[in-house]
Amino acid sequence: SQQGEEDPQALSIQEGENATMNCSYKTSINNLQWYRQNSGRGLVHLILIRSNEREKHSGRLRVTLDTSKKSSSLLITASRAADTASYFCATRSGGSNYKLTFGKGTLLTVNP
Amino acid sequence: ETGVTQSPTHLIKTRGQQVTLRCSSQSGHNTVSWYQQALGQGPQFIFQYYREEENGRGNFPPRFSGLQFPNYSSELNVNALELDDSALYLCASSGNRGQNYGYTFGSGTRLTVV
Repeated sequence: SQQGEEDPQALSIQEGENATMNCSYKTSINNLQWYRQNSGRGLVHLILIRSNEREKHSGRLRVTLDTSKKSSSLLITASRAADTASYFCATRSGGSNYKLTFGKGTLLTVNP
Repeated sequence: ETGVTQSPTHLIKTRGQQVTLRCSSQSGHNTVSWYQQALGQGPQFIFQYYREEENGRGNFPPRFSGLQFPNYSSELNVNALELDDSALYLCASSGNRGQNYGYTFGSGTRLTVV
């Protein structure tokens, strides 16, 4: 079953613009991670935010986490054509179950 | 530092057959997880191995089984293949069972069942 739900399902922007993707989840989490996937191949880990963190930055990426609303957002600033990919949020719940539960993803298209 | 390597990259099998997919984890990682990703969907957790033992399983039937070897490489075996098993199978490795660390994914094996 899917825990996270990304919004929007698809996003098309011009190069240089900012892209914002949102993720909602259902149960309590230990951490939330964002991954990128190009053309249905392997996933690339972008950033991890722990449940006690509210915001994290990595290069052009900014992630926020609101555990009271069970939601997260990923902001990509100054987008490039190479950012075109599917983006997934994945949650890791606590305890001994170390699985990641993924949403269906947001397909981002950055037009040159 | 090598990444996660999966083989084969593509595979076509007939319904009812058995398949074995292989994964070499990233150097230094002792945890391997397998995911199934159907077209247009997010990856679904199959199971995870830590130090050669299964330590978590998703909602997949017993015909999905796995192994982890002393060098932390892993295999995913699927028996009695069904058409719905057609998907991208992803292997991911991490240290310390993935606790508070991201996973390194391989490029996947595209399985087509006809």
